[in-house]
Amino acid sequence: KAGVTQTPRYLIKTRGQQVTLSCSPISGHRSVSWYQQTPGQGLQFLFEYFSETQRNKGNFPGRFSGRQFSNSRSEMNVSTLELGDSALYLCASSRGTGQTGELFFGEGSRLTVL
Amino acid sequence: DQQVKQNSPSLSVQEGRISILNCDYTNSMFDYFLWYKKYPAEGPTFLISISSIKDKNEDGRFTVFLNKSAKHLSLHIVPSQPGDSAVYFCAATVGNSGGYQKVTFGTGTKLQVIP
Repeated sequence: KAGVTQTPRYLIKTRGQQVTLSCSPISGHRSVSWYQQTPGQGLQFLFEYFSETQRNKGNFPGRFSGRQFSNSRSEMNVSTLELGDSALYLCASSRGTGQTGELFFGEGSRLTVL
Repeated sequence: DQQVKQNSPSLSVQEGRISILNCDYTNSMFDYFLWYKKYPAEGPTFLISISSIKDKNEDGRFTVFLNKSAKHLSLHIVPSQPGDSAVYFCAATVGNSGGYQKVTFGTGTKLQVIP
């Protein structure tokens, strides 16, 4: 079955702009999580959505937001971009029930802020 | 506050030898632990996991050990192969009745297996 699809794969923005990233989960998966990966920081949890509701949120400023649609596809938005937002943004999907923590990741969207 | 820590950013091992990757955690509520592997330009992929009720889980060449009293887990790869060269992330999660899955990751250890 098709894996997790993230678009766009690469993008360049300038400070102050905003960006929207998209994630299509594996068919049948109802949970979508977003992570930010930067060198030395590992994967930092942004938020998790399940059935169109945000269930968990990490310690990121309000400039980072997300949403999930009825078909489980998710988007995340970053407004007023800063240089430090340059990172690989990873989306992961799972069934959303159960407590095993096994996630299926997309290839990521690499954002460069100039 | 880094609740999951991987203190070795890199590790080099000769092919055929054992690779040992270590991970420490601070949150005693974590009850499920996982290892993910990441190749460049790809997303992380699940490798192996262990529940807090166990102290060892084995899958082929990969074994994860959990020491709850020390809040420490390790991943052993035997024998190491060049294809194992990747970044390895330790992760942990807290189960609850709602089935929430906030997974906390470490900073990763880059393993290089030398032929």
